[in-house]
Amino acid sequence: DTGVSQNPRHKITKRGQNVTFRCDPISEHNRLYWYRQTLGQGPEFLTYFQNEAQLEKSRLLSDRFSAERPKGSFSTLEIQRTEQGDSAMYLCASSQGRLRAGGVEKLFFGSGTQLSVL
Amino acid sequence: GQQVMQIPQYQHVQEGEDFTTYCNSSTTLSNIQWYKQRPGGHPVFLIQLVKSGEVKKQKRLTFQFGEAKKNSSLHITATQTTDVGTYFCARYNFNKFYFGSGTKLNVKP
Repeated sequence: DTGVSQNPRHKITKRGQNVTFRCDPISEHNRLYWYRQTLGQGPEFLTYFQNEAQLEKSRLLSDRFSAERPKGSFSTLEIQRTEQGDSAMYLCASSQGRLRAGGVEKLFFGSGTQLSVL
Repeated sequence: GQQVMQIPQYQHVQEGEDFTTYCNSSTTLSNIQWYKQRPGGHPVFLIQLVKSGEVKKQKRLTFQFGEAKKNSSLHITATQTTDVGTYFCARYNFNKFYFGSGTKLNVKP
């Protein structure tokens, strides 16, 4: 299977704890994105990487959130001192980032990590 | 700024009825993409529109980009239970994708 893989699928934690999620993108994709989705809403952009470089982070994103993509392959998203408002589905997606003529830049999503903060 | 707005938020139809969802922007869009998210699933890319007035079809699905490139629509003819899910439009700008809040479609058999 060469799709986007995320783990864990579910994470339940207590308020104040740190959590880390992992994403393995499609291997030939240069760009990797993190999104957050709450019930009834569309995916909200958090941050993205071009290879190992983190090129942009949402201004709405708390300093408690940090993401890495150390070797330009898999990525981790860490949330420190979790709060109940952090409860959401965290989606990872990848895209080619380097298109042939006529190509379409589109997102391939993983199944997400559902975070519940108690 | 980057927002795209979608209406309606929910739509319940009887199987066989048609369905349309609309996506609107206050600014001109360079492109618009549509994704479908099945219940419990993740968004899956359907199509991208780029040209003013562009119309594309995928079987029973018809996608349209407005002449002014500020709105788009997705129309499903004769819905089936397999069409159930949430349909999102998204704009792709400066390497980032910004999603609307989606239209949740429920189809009663």
